[in-house]
Amino acid sequence: ETGVTQSPTHLIKTRGQQVTLRCSSQSGHNTVSWYQQALGQGPQFIFQYYREEENGRGNFPPRFSGLQFPNYSSELNVNALELDDSALYLCASSLKGAGNEQFFGPGTRLTVL
Amino acid sequence: GQSLEQPSEVTAVEGAIVQINCTYQTSGFYGLSWYQQHDGGAPTFLSYNGLDGLEETGRFSSFLSRSDSYGYLLLQELQMKDSASYFCASKGGSQGNLIFGKGTKLSVKP
Repeated sequence: ETGVTQSPTHLIKTRGQQVTLRCSSQSGHNTVSWYQQALGQGPQFIFQYYREEENGRGNFPPRFSGLQFPNYSSELNVNALELDDSALYLCASSLKGAGNEQFFGPGTRLTVL
Repeated sequence: GQSLEQPSEVTAVEGAIVQINCTYQTSGFYGLSWYQQHDGGAPTFLSYNGLDGLEETGRFSSFLSRSDSYGYLLLQELQMKDSASYFCASKGGSQGNLIFGKGTKLSVKP
């Protein structure tokens, strides 16, 4: 059984740039959620994808967008990067309806300068 | 809205027992989960309580009282490797996203 993987592990961008983060879900999981975790805080829900459609969204602006592919892998895109976007971005996979137990990837550490 | 409150830091010694409390305010309740996160690592699922009472998994136990909107994580026979941040979390709705507390940083001393 393959766990959740994310790429890249670290990324440095400058303000105004765009970034794409990638996630491969755990084998058999059809739901992917993305979270942003600032230093010393709990993860904050960005959005969730199920069957290639957005299935819920947290309090994040439209410049945060995503995709889910037929193999359940997913991308998070962030446009017009701001300094406050610097954070750890976590991807979590689960089965639909089993959201209490989510399997997290190691995250992508994004630094915006 | 939903919010979960937990202490920011707890310190204990190796071999001791520690309890991390979590109080929540939710518009709908879908159970309480606990996650562990080591520095630089991914959150990992520890336990889930959907109903009142105690759930035990090895050295870790979790308790829920829905009438008090309260739960706790109990760690027994503390080991140095238990030094980590612990998060309580609840589902944000039927969609399945998790709402996390701010986390409790546990430091285990020799």
